[in-house]
Amino acid sequence: GESVGLHLPTLSVQEGDNSIINCAYSNSASDYFIWYKQESGKGPQFIIDIRSNMDKRQGQRVTVLLNKTVKHLSLQIAATQPGDSAVYFCAESPGANNLFFGTGTRLTVIP
Amino acid sequence: DGGITQSPKYLFRKEGQNVTLSCEQNLNHDAMYWYRQDPGQGLRLIYYSQIVNDFQKGDIAEGYSVSREKKESFPLTVTSAQKNPTAFYLCASSIPGNYGYTFGSGTRLTVV
Repeated sequence: GESVGLHLPTLSVQEGDNSIINCAYSNSASDYFIWYKQESGKGPQFIIDIRSNMDKRQGQRVTVLLNKTVKHLSLQIAATQPGDSAVYFCAESPGANNLFFGTGTRLTVIP
Repeated sequence: DGGITQSPKYLFRKEGQNVTLSCEQNLNHDAMYWYRQDPGQGLRLIYYSQIVNDFQKGDIAEGYSVSREKKESFPLTVTSAQKNPTAFYLCASSIPGNYGYTFGSGTRLTVV
C-alpha cells in the first residue's frame, strides 16, 4: 500500500477481478478520508469518502474500509474494468481544510 | 456547469523567465490550493488561501508566488528563483467544513 515518501506502488489485476488498494495513514487525529482517482495527464477526481465514525462506506462498484486501530484505509473496486486503470490516492484530514495526500498506487487492468 | 479551470494546459518556460499559471473557479469555494506533482510522486502543497486577500505558504513555497484578489481566482507565478520548475501543477478548491477538494485538470510546465 501507499505511504508518504515511497515510490509509486503498482497493482495489476485481470479485467473482471476485484481490486484492493491499501493506504496507511499517519495522523491518529484524522477524522476524514478520501480516495481520488487520477488518470494520466488529468487532475484527481473524487471517488469516495468516509468519516472516522464509520468503518465502511459503499458507492457504485467501490467500497472504502477504515480501520482506525491500525490506521489503515482500503479501496475495493468490484469487477475491475479497463477504465479503472489510473493512479489512486488516499488523503487524510485532521480538520481545518487540510488534506494530506499519500504517494498513490498505480492500478493497471489487464484485458 | 460549475468547475475549476486551469490554463494553459501546457506551458514552456525559458531559463530565467517568470511564468504565471491561471486557476479560476465558479464553485463559490472560499479556499484554493496549488500543488506540484512530479512523475511517480504524490502531491506537494505550494500555497493555499482560505479567504480573499490572504494566503499561506505550503511545504514547497520557495520560488513561487501567488495572489488572491478575487474569490474566483488564484494565479500561481513560477519565478526564476525556482530552479527545477518542470512539473505538473494542480489547482484545487474547497468550501469550509467540507474537507473534499475539487481539482482542476492541471498545467504541465516544462523548462526549455
